[in-house]
Amino acid sequence: DTAVSQTPKYLVTQMGNDKSIKCEQNLGHDTMYWYKQDSKKFLKIMFSYNNKELIINETVPNRFSPKSPDKAHLNLHINSLELGDSAVYFCATSSRGSAGNTIYFGEGSWLTVV
Amino acid sequence: QKEVEQDPGPLSVPEGAIVSLNCTYSNSAFQYFMWYRQYSRKGPELLMYTYSSGNKEDGRFTAQVDKSSKYISLFIRDSQPSDSATYLCAMTGGTGGFKTIFGAGTRLFVKA
Repeated sequence: DTAVSQTPKYLVTQMGNDKSIKCEQNLGHDTMYWYKQDSKKFLKIMFSYNNKELIINETVPNRFSPKSPDKAHLNLHINSLELGDSAVYFCATSSRGSAGNTIYFGEGSWLTVV
Repeated sequence: QKEVEQDPGPLSVPEGAIVSLNCTYSNSAFQYFMWYRQYSRKGPELLMYTYSSGNKEDGRFTAQVDKSSKYISLFIRDSQPSDSATYLCAMTGGTGGFKTIFGAGTRLFVKA
């Protein structure tokens, strides 16, 4: 039973389209994240939600909009996709009380914009 | 200057070698230091974490933190082909700790 699951795993789409990536966690953690990993493997935080409340919003184009319907879900919607949006997007979770804020990642969603 | 610097490699070693992976950082507020391992087409998974300075050992893996030098290391003894992966260092502050900063990751290849 996957702790952090995200769908779809692979997504190929055309420029200008709108797409969503869904994430669900069954760890009971109160904090969820979206990270973006570029082709050079650099992992950068995009958003963080704590108990459905947005607490971190890095410098991300407003074409990216996260939505957290409940503590176990954090979805990412992307409007008007651009070539530069091609990357791997990781959903992740952590428990506020855990030592060092240990982060648990999903398997990733490979987005390719053509 | 990036908050966390990590040589992306790739680093190629023969099976059985001792591997040394390193990161430097600039923010003295960091208190927790982690190493994540990421296999190809997978998400990163926590390998080890250390609080403040010192060493921590877990099987073939040893993590070291030198806060005075702002330098952390991960040593892998008796490296195996199954250790071939990207290793990312990560660190976070002690208060709140919601923001974790990752290094760029070092790609390691262990040749049989």
